[in-house]
Amino acid sequence: DGGITQSPKYLFRKEGQNVTLSCEQNLNHDAMYWYRQDPGQGLRLIYYSQIVNDFQKGDIAEGYSVSREKKESFPLTVTSAQKNPTAFYLCASSTRGPTGELFFGEGSRLTVL
Amino acid sequence: DQQVKQNSPSLSVQEGRISILNCDYTNSMFDYFLWYKKYPAEGPTFLISISSIKDKNEDGRFTVFLNKSAKHLSLHIVPSQPGDSAVYFCAATYRNSGNTPLVFGKGTRLSVIA
Repeated sequence: DGGITQSPKYLFRKEGQNVTLSCEQNLNHDAMYWYRQDPGQGLRLIYYSQIVNDFQKGDIAEGYSVSREKKESFPLTVTSAQKNPTAFYLCASSTRGPTGELFFGEGSRLTVL
Repeated sequence: DQQVKQNSPSLSVQEGRISILNCDYTNSMFDYFLWYKKYPAEGPTFLISISSIKDKNEDGRFTVFLNKSAKHLSLHIVPSQPGDSAVYFCAATYRNSGNTPLVFGKGTRLSVIA
């Protein structure tokens, strides 16, 4: 079945450690996105990529890094520079067309101990 | 500054009645609007959308209304069912500039009471 797979679903990290969240899609979508959800804050855009080997910062990119070496994959690294990393992270993808409809993964919950 | 606002954090409705979720936007460039539904610990799923050339779009129990002059849209769910209990996000984009990322509101938590 086509879809977006995020892993791991739950992750615990000690302060000062970097952690990488995986996002893979088999929908043949060109564009991929990372959002962060916090209670009462809605979905805030971290990074997005419209094509392989290219990505742009979103509204809250500080403390995060991404890569887009393959069309199917868009991993997100939460670095130790991110001050409040505990959150629910959502990966999404879309076609390059104008509809704007996003398809989301199931999410990854990161907890910093 | 929030470009997409959902001013009601929560809403409770009795089963069978109408649920009305509201959304306001400030950016007049937005020309395409979407609603997503989200259950806890899951990713959002697309519900319904509307282009700025329309003022209404209907899909089964869900209808979205757009008032461009007021920069306001609303999602109507009739009749409301317990399974509709979720967080609903309003989102907007402007398609003419290509694949512009969606801008989301903060969401409204709908509780449908049996």
